[in-house]
Amino acid sequence: DAKTTQPPSMDCAEGRAANLPCNHSTISGNEYVYWYRQIHSQGPQYIIHGLKNNETNEMASLIITEDRKSSTLILPHATLRDTAVYYCIVRVPLNQGGKLIFGQGTELSVKP
Amino acid sequence: SAVISQKPSRDICQRGTSLTIQCQVDSQVTMMFWYRQQPGQSLTLIATANQGSEATYESGFVIDKFPISRPNLTFSTLTVSNMSPEDSSIYLCSVEGAGGRRETQYFGPGTRLLVL
Repeated sequence: DAKTTQPPSMDCAEGRAANLPCNHSTISGNEYVYWYRQIHSQGPQYIIHGLKNNETNEMASLIITEDRKSSTLILPHATLRDTAVYYCIVRVPLNQGGKLIFGQGTELSVKP
Repeated sequence: SAVISQKPSRDICQRGTSLTIQCQVDSQVTMMFWYRQQPGQSLTLIATANQGSEATYESGFVIDKFPISRPNLTFSTLTVSNMSPEDSSIYLCSVEGAGGRRETQYFGPGTRLLVL
């Protein structure tokens, strides 16, 4: 599975969009990009995943560049409850042996 | 998404003893996994729990230390054997394939273990 690079920490003002970048320059054609977050003392929470196209759900949007070497997770209107560690992970599909391998993530602090 | 529960939610144990952690899912799932999160660290995959056969362990983890059972499609246990203070961690189970969502993995709330 390809390695990802994320900034260790970011700040965001409450009510503003939080844009979390992720670099995955060695991603393979069959690897998906996943985002999870972990709020302090809780289990990781699934946010979104995608292969090539941009994705949106009730929690966030995932923007993947055309060459797929990087992506951005967007929380459109950050709240204090979005303060968490955000993990960007790439992996092949489960039926091809894919596993979720967590890096250090980005610690997002949403401030009033 | 799946509803996952873990028991116990936390425990304090003496070194040399063993603790078995249970993971229960509210629906049948394809895959179940066990992770460890040491203090201040990210998650590390311990093993994949296979139904009806031996678990598949990641490098650095062995069956004698972390025996795993998965008797059916909704339940798994992880035992932390002969514990030492270095085993103090959060242990998390995760599942994939719940509700037909094959490529989405969901996590339980974790078991916080402190070994004295």
